[in-house]
Amino acid sequence: QQQVKQSPQSLIVQKGGISIINCAYENTAFDYFPWYQQFPGKGPALLIAIRPDVSEKKEGRFTISFNKSAKQFSLHIMDSQPGDSATYFCAARVQPTGGTSYGKLTFGQGTILTVHP
Amino acid sequence: NAGVTQTPKFRVLKTGQSMTLLCAQDMNHEYMYWYRQDPGMGLRLIHYSVGEGTTAKGEVPDGYNVSRLKKQNFLLGLESAAPSQTSVYFCASSWGFAQHFGDGTRLSIL
Repeated sequence: QQQVKQSPQSLIVQKGGISIINCAYENTAFDYFPWYQQFPGKGPALLIAIRPDVSEKKEGRFTISFNKSAKQFSLHIMDSQPGDSATYFCAARVQPTGGTSYGKLTFGQGTILTVHP
Repeated sequence: NAGVTQTPKFRVLKTGQSMTLLCAQDMNHEYMYWYRQDPGMGLRLIHYSVGEGTTAKGEVPDGYNVSRLKKQNFLLGLESAAPSQTSVYFCASSWGFAQHFGDGTRLSIL
C-alpha cells in the first residue's frame, strides 16, 4: 500500500532547465510534506518542506507547490545544475496525536534526477 | 558533531546468520528510526522508537528486532538473515519535523 505516489521514476534535464517532480497522496491526516535529497553513498538529507496551509514555499532555486484540494505537491528546481543530480524523495507525515510531536513519515518511491552539463 | 553514525558500512552475510546494526546519534534526539531502501520502493520504515526503552513496529517489521537501551543508540537485529533482507539500511533521528539520516549500511545476504 503506497500512500504517497511519486513520478517520474527518472528525469533527465539539461543544465539551466527546470526539473519538476510530482507527488500525490490520499491520506488527509498528513500534515507535513518534506522533500529529501540523496547523493550516491549518502543518506537522505532534508531539502525543503511545506505545511498544508501554504500553497507555495521557495528556498533559493527550490520551490514546493502544494495543491490541497487535489492532494498533490511538487518540487521545482529552477536553473538546474549538474550538482543537483541526485535521488529526490517526497514524503508525508501523519499528524501527531497524544500530545507528542512524533509523526511517522511515508516516503514516495524516489526520482533519479540527472542534469546534463 | 557527527550527527547520525551507522556501523558497519558494508556487510555480507550468509543465509541464516545473525547480525546487529548499530546506530548512534549525538543530537539528543528523542525519536529514532530504522528504514530499508530498495530500488523503486523508496524508504520503508522497519521499526521506530519514541524514547529510551520504547520501540514500535513500522511498515515492514518481520524478520527484524530492535532495542533502545540508551537514548543515543538504536540497534537493529537480524536473527536469521534471508536473501530478501538484502538492502541498504538507514537509521534516522529526529525531534519534531526534520529527520536526520546516517549514511547507511549496505547489507548483502547470500
